[in-house]
Amino acid sequence: GAGVSQTPSNKVTEKGKYVELRCDPISGHTALYWYRQSLGQGPEFLIYFQGTGAADDSGLPNDRFFAVRPEGSVSTLKIQRTERGDSAVYLCASSPTGTRDNEQFFGPGTRLTVL
Amino acid sequence: AQSVTQLDSQVPVFEEAPVELRCNYSSSVSVYLFWYVQYPNQGLQLLLKYLSGSTLVKSINGFEAEFNKSQTSFHLRKPSVHISDTAEYFCAVRPDSWGKLQFGAGTQVVVTP
Repeated sequence: GAGVSQTPSNKVTEKGKYVELRCDPISGHTALYWYRQSLGQGPEFLIYFQGTGAADDSGLPNDRFFAVRPEGSVSTLKIQRTERGDSAVYLCASSPTGTRDNEQFFGPGTRLTVL
Repeated sequence: AQSVTQLDSQVPVFEEAPVELRCNYSSSVSVYLFWYVQYPNQGLQLLLKYLSGSTLVKSINGFEAEFNKSQTSFHLRKPSVHISDTAEYFCAVRPDSWGKLQFGAGTQVVVTP
């Protein structure tokens, strides 16, 4: 079956621009996670959705970052007024539910470069 | 809050030699433990996990990890590596009450002939 997909695979933008990153989770998975992986680091948690609602957004670094999941499936991570420090690989993962013993399946990521 | 420390950023190893990747964590609550692998130009894949029960867990490709509660460690080992094991390995913890994973910084394993 299809895994988690993310589009675009690469995004280059200029400082100050707005970007949207899309995640298509595995069909039927109710939990969806966004992580950010900077060069030489492990992934860092950003936000977790259970269904349509954000169950935990404590990892969003500031109010320039926002994510939605309006129908409980596809999610979009939105970054306003991008900064060079936002350059990273943005990873999306989904799991059947959010309970602790459910494996998270990761997408290939979107590499964001802010010039 | 939790934290994960992977003590080695890079581990060079010869083919057919053993390898050990160290992972220590700190947490005020009980956690579940994971090792993920990221092969070149691929996404993260779950390698193995400890949820409960036997403290020694094994993967299908010969890796094993042992949960040591007293030392708060979850070291990953393989007795004989292959060239195809070249990848970055991430240790992660997942607290009881949350779905998010907290990752270490990763260990790059480079296997040479």
